[in-house]
Amino acid sequence: SQQGEEDPQALSIQEGENATMNCSYKTSINNLQWYRQNSGRGLVHLILIRSNEREKHSGRLRVTLDTSKKSSSLLITASRAADTASYFCATAGTQGGSEKLVFGKGTKLTVNP
Amino acid sequence: EAQVTQNPRYLITVTGKKLTVTCSQNMNHEYMSWYRQDPGLGLRQIYYSMNVEVTDKGDVPEGYKVSRKEKRNFPLILESPSPNQTSLYFCASSYGPWYEQYFGPGTRLTVT
Repeated sequence: SQQGEEDPQALSIQEGENATMNCSYKTSINNLQWYRQNSGRGLVHLILIRSNEREKHSGRLRVTLDTSKKSSSLLITASRAADTASYFCATAGTQGGSEKLVFGKGTKLTVNP
Repeated sequence: EAQVTQNPRYLITVTGKKLTVTCSQNMNHEYMSWYRQDPGLGLRQIYYSMNVEVTDKGDVPEGYKVSRKEKRNFPLILESPSPNQTSLYFCASSYGPWYEQYFGPGTRLTVT
């Protein structure tokens, strides 16, 4: 299926440490996106990486994409308590002839002060 | 300010009582969609709309209806809600399904 699967499901770290989350998927994609969700709130777009890109940065975020392994990783450097949230990957591809964006189940990140 | 609004934010209702959750965006986006989020199941798409008067089923459309009469509005209708529709609902809009999605704040629905 196109759906991305995040790993780990939950991650707990100390403030200042780096957090790495992974996303694996099964079919070819146009792009892959990462979103953040604070508890019970709407998702917020973080970064989009196209299938022909290998790495992208935005502030303390670094995203890599390996299309040969069908996987992506999101690295948050020097984490802060405010980074506590759930993080979702979403894969943009074609399903049944239609363009689709399919979300994974998320990684719950807890950053302890 | 660019935003997607949803109303109501919280709703408790009884089985069978028709309800509508409104969604509106001010970014002139063609594409709008509805998702439900349930613990352990992630976000699942209910319906989407590529433009005015063009709607299509997502992954979990049963028990829901939508309409798109104006570009900015995309209401979600539950004609006869059931307890298994208790969930957190999100509306989103964008320039297309592969673009960055803008999400509303969510509507927490409880059906008893």
